[in-house]
Amino acid sequence: EAGVAQSPRYKIIEKRQSVAFWCNPISGHATLYWYQQILGQGPKLLIQFQNNGVVDDSQLPKDRFSAERLKGVDSTLKIQPAKLEDSAVYLCASRRLAGGLDTQYFGPGTRLTVL
Amino acid sequence: AQSVTQLDSQVPVFEEAPVELRCNYSSSVSVYLFWYVQYPNQGLQLLLKYLSGSTLVKGINGFEAEFNKSQTSFHLRKPSVHISDTAEYFCAVRGGYQKVTFGTGTKLQVIP
Repeated sequence: EAGVAQSPRYKIIEKRQSVAFWCNPISGHATLYWYQQILGQGPKLLIQFQNNGVVDDSQLPKDRFSAERLKGVDSTLKIQPAKLEDSAVYLCASRRLAGGLDTQYFGPGTRLTVL
Repeated sequence: AQSVTQLDSQVPVFEEAPVELRCNYSSSVSVYLFWYVQYPNQGLQLLLKYLSGSTLVKGINGFEAEFNKSQTSFHLRKPSVHISDTAEYFCAVRGGYQKVTFGTGTKLQVIP
């Protein structure tokens, strides 16, 4: 089966600009995650969707970050305006079940550089 | 709250030597434990997971890990490493509300 797709793979912007990332999870996967991975750190959960509803967005900087998952399939993550400290790899992951013991599958990530 | 500690940020090891990457966790509820590998410029790939049952878990690429509840540890081991094992390894815990928390990662450098 096809994996989690993300685009773009790389993005360079200047601070205060806006940027959007796109994720297409594995077909049929109910749960979708966005993670931020800053260089030298482990991934940090930004937001978790179950179908098209938000389960956990406690670590999402809501003053500048937003995410949506229309129709419970694809998802977009937006940053507006970007700051230097937003430079990171943004990882999307999906899981088939909302609960249970199944595995989370990760996409290749989008590397964002804010100048 | 749950947390994961990977004390070693980098581990150099000679090719064909054994390796152990350490992981300790804390959680107020029962947890599931995972090890992921990340090769340069790639996403995370699941190596192995502990959900229940036998505390010794075998994964891909010859890796295995042992869950030790009393020591709250889930160390990753391989008896003989290859150059291709050079990558960053992340320990993760899934606890309450299905939230996954990752450690800061350990870079394994295999020396020829």
